[in-house]
Order: sequence, then structure tokens, then C-alpha cells
Amino acid sequence: GEDVEQSLFLSVREGDSSVINCTYTDSSSTYLYWYKQEPGAGLQLLTYIFSNMDMKQDQRLTVLLNKKDKHLSLRIADTQTGDSAIYFCAETSGGYQKVTFGTGTKLQVIP
Amino acid sequence: GAVVSQHPSRVICKSGTSVKIECRSLDFQATTMFWYRQFPKQSLMLMATSNEGSKATYEQGVEKDKFLINHASLTLSTLTVTSAHPEDSSFYICSARDQQGAGNQPQHFGDGTRLSIL
Repeated sequence: GEDVEQSLFLSVREGDSSVINCTYTDSSSTYLYWYKQEPGAGLQLLTYIFSNMDMKQDQRLTVLLNKKDKHLSLRIADTQTGDSAIYFCAETSGGYQKVTFGTGTKLQVIP
Repeated sequence: GAVVSQHPSRVICKSGTSVKIECRSLDFQATTMFWYRQFPKQSLMLMATSNEGSKATYEQGVEKDKFLINHASLTLSTLTVTSAHPEDSSFYICSARDQQGAGNQPQHFGDGTRLSIL
């Protein structure tokens, strides 16, 4: 079945850039997502990218996709304390649209 | 944009109680909705796919008689946890996608329901 892997923890200083990495196994993935989850809260869609794209930028967020290596990354520029949360990488494939989530990366921003 | 509303956000009840959770797509129709479960400090696991007008499809290991899903309209799916026990305590989240929208639409998630069984 599909598998999505992420590192569990990342710590950065406020103002620095954060890069969260994700690898996936499903070569037929069509959409790849980044979700943010704050403590006790639901999931917030941050951004998503289609498999035919290499990069997508949205304000402080930059998503890079290397389809050959099945590697996805999320870069947060000028990281703020409010960015502290768990970030989930996720993918869907085909028309079924079932979402497979990564293990989540806990981002800690140090003031 | 597309919004998914989930209700209630938190439930605390006694063991043996049945609990119903609602998932609504507010400005689009969804023939398919998904229900996920998240244990503390873990990722989300798909429980079942809710299909409008037909039976839900359950993932392996999920008891269909325990977690009843009804998708009676194009904007509403409900998950009922029957005779809940403490081990059913978890964070339940639904998602839906605007399948009729222009272009490729992402999955949108509800805010989740934190269920605590005493």
C-alpha cells in the first residue's frame, strides 16, 4: 500500500527558514498536500501541489516536488512562533481521493 | 472556498452511550466523504469511506457495526459510535472534496471531534 514518511521533529529559531521533508512511495500520486495541526485542533490545509508541478510558492510557503525521487518538501520562510505545530504531508492518487498521511513533523520554533 | 463543518467539536460521555458526529459540506456537494481517526501523538488513519446513497466502505480492522456511517444527502455524512467504550476515545475527523468544482480540488477537513468516554 501507500506509505508516506516524515521526520518526527524539527527545531528552528524564530526568523530562520524551516524545511520539512517528506517521502512517499505511490508513483501514481496525483495530489500532494501539506496540512498544519495545532494542539487540540483539527487540520488546516496549508497548500497542495499537483504531481505535474515542480514548485509552488504561496507567501512564506514554498513547496518543492521531486517526482523522480518521490520527495516533497515544505519551506517556511521567516518562521514565527505561531508556526509551531505538527505538519502532515499527505498524498492522494486517482479518482478515489483517499488521503494517506505521513507520520507528522512537530515543528518547534524557539524565540 | 470549500468548507467542511463538523459537529460537535467535543463530546464527553459515559461508557455504553452512542455518539453521533456530523460532517457537512457547506458550499459544495460531496458524493464521497471520508472519516479518519487520530490517536494521541499519532497520524490520521482512514476508518471508512462514506458514499452518498449506498453503504460505506470500511478499512480493514474497523468494525462496521461499531462505527455506523450514514450519508443520506450530498452535504451530510454522520458517524455514530455505538455503545462507546473508553478505548473509543479519540479524535475523529472527516473530509470531503468538491468533486464538481473547477480544476482539481483538494480534500478539506472538518475541525474534528474529540470524543472522551468515561
